[in-house]
Amino acid sequence: GAVVSQHPSWVICKSGTSVKIECRSLDFQATTMFWYRQFPKQSLMLMATSNEGSKATYEQGVEKDKFLINHASLTLSTLTVTSAHPEDSSFYICRVSGQGVLGYTFGSGTRLTVV
Amino acid sequence: GESVGLHLPTLSVQEGDNSIINCAYSNSASDYFIWYKQESGKGPQFIIDIRSNMDKRQGQRVTVLLNKTVKHLSLQIAATQPGDSAVYFCAERGNYGQNFVFGPGTRLSVLP
Repeated sequence: GAVVSQHPSWVICKSGTSVKIECRSLDFQATTMFWYRQFPKQSLMLMATSNEGSKATYEQGVEKDKFLINHASLTLSTLTVTSAHPEDSSFYICRVSGQGVLGYTFGSGTRLTVV
Repeated sequence: GESVGLHLPTLSVQEGDNSIINCAYSNSASDYFIWYKQESGKGPQFIIDIRSNMDKRQGQRVTVLLNKTVKHLSLQIAATQPGDSAVYFCAERGNYGQNFVFGPGTRLSVLP
């Protein structure tokens, strides 16, 4: 099955700084990666979809200049939260999909706390 | 619009009993329905899926039932164990695409 690695598992940063979260596909080519945000006791909300080598497609209400997504290779996608504010504190999770893969596998998630 | 919802936000069961978690969906074009288990601080873990042309699928201690007539999905866990305590999400893969729409989740608590 698909193996996905997400890093870091948790991060604390100061307001105004930027944080980069990595999502790696370890055993297959991830042509598409999905980034979700999950607030406490809530469901997963899709933020954006990224296809390798293309610009990410953002969901309505998600600021593309604040949440920068890069998917430059078939094994790595990154989400950068720029100028983070306390309201950006959340659990960020990636999901990967690729050729011949149903795309069920999630990363382990990143707990971001902005202070 | 498309939505996936749950009837029960929380469910408490005695250890050893069977658990049933329900989910309603609205997109008739969804081709796969998936159940995930999410433990605190972790990413969702795939449990079982069912294709839209099936009405039942069994796994190890879990069974998923799909009723397309009433657009209802359920996850049955047999002989519930303490390790089953988690939040369970249903998801549907809509319109033969790759995006999943998630339900609000049900917290399962297993009582000793």
